[in-house]
Amino acid sequence: QQQVRQSPQSLTVWEGETAILNCSYEDSTFNYFPWYQQFPGEGPALLISIRSVSDKKEDGRFTIFFNKREKKLSLHITDSQPGDSATYFCAANRVGYKLTFGTGTSLLVDP
Amino acid sequence: DMKVTQMPRYLIKRMGENVLLECGQDMSHETMYWYRQDPGLGLQLIYISYDVDSNSEGDIPKGYRVSRKKREHFSLILDSAKTNQTSVYFCASRKRQDYAEQFFGPGTRLTVL
Repeated sequence: QQQVRQSPQSLTVWEGETAILNCSYEDSTFNYFPWYQQFPGEGPALLISIRSVSDKKEDGRFTIFFNKREKKLSLHITDSQPGDSATYFCAANRVGYKLTFGTGTSLLVDP
Repeated sequence: DMKVTQMPRYLIKRMGENVLLECGQDMSHETMYWYRQDPGLGLQLIYISYDVDSNSEGDIPKGYRVSRKKREHFSLILDSAKTNQTSVYFCASRKRQDYAEQFFGPGTRLTVL
């Protein structure tokens, strides 16, 4: 059973558009949700994270929106750039426990 | 320089051969991980190490074992490799504190023929 689900599997947007990546989870005890960004040939790297006490976290062009009641969150990338083309993984855990990763969304930003 | 290193980066082995993947980190992180990444499956946790000689199985430990004799070094061993162990393997480390970031290495692409 997939504890963390991501959609869409792949996404293409034009440069300058807003990309929206979705994530949902099963375990209501999860309280920490990092997003990792992975470029081809590299390991994932932490992009931005949110704790369940917040409903929004912003870092430059990247924003996480969190809906605890619906157990959903989304990553919005505004003014998308070709350099944002990567795979994005949503992850979740209860603090002190292992991270569970989603299967990723592959984002392509067309110039 | 905060870094996780992995050796080798690429490896080709024949079925039945033994495989040793090495991981190092220079951040004195207590916790280290081994994951494998396959298309469409994301990152699957193989083993966790909480410190020297303190290792726990992850979600898919079958066919793998690990060794951690020094805090900065974590090895993944495949005894008698199988073709379905062809994958990209990532090592990661993190400080043992709430909300600490996981730092990943660059990965090892293993092909078992």
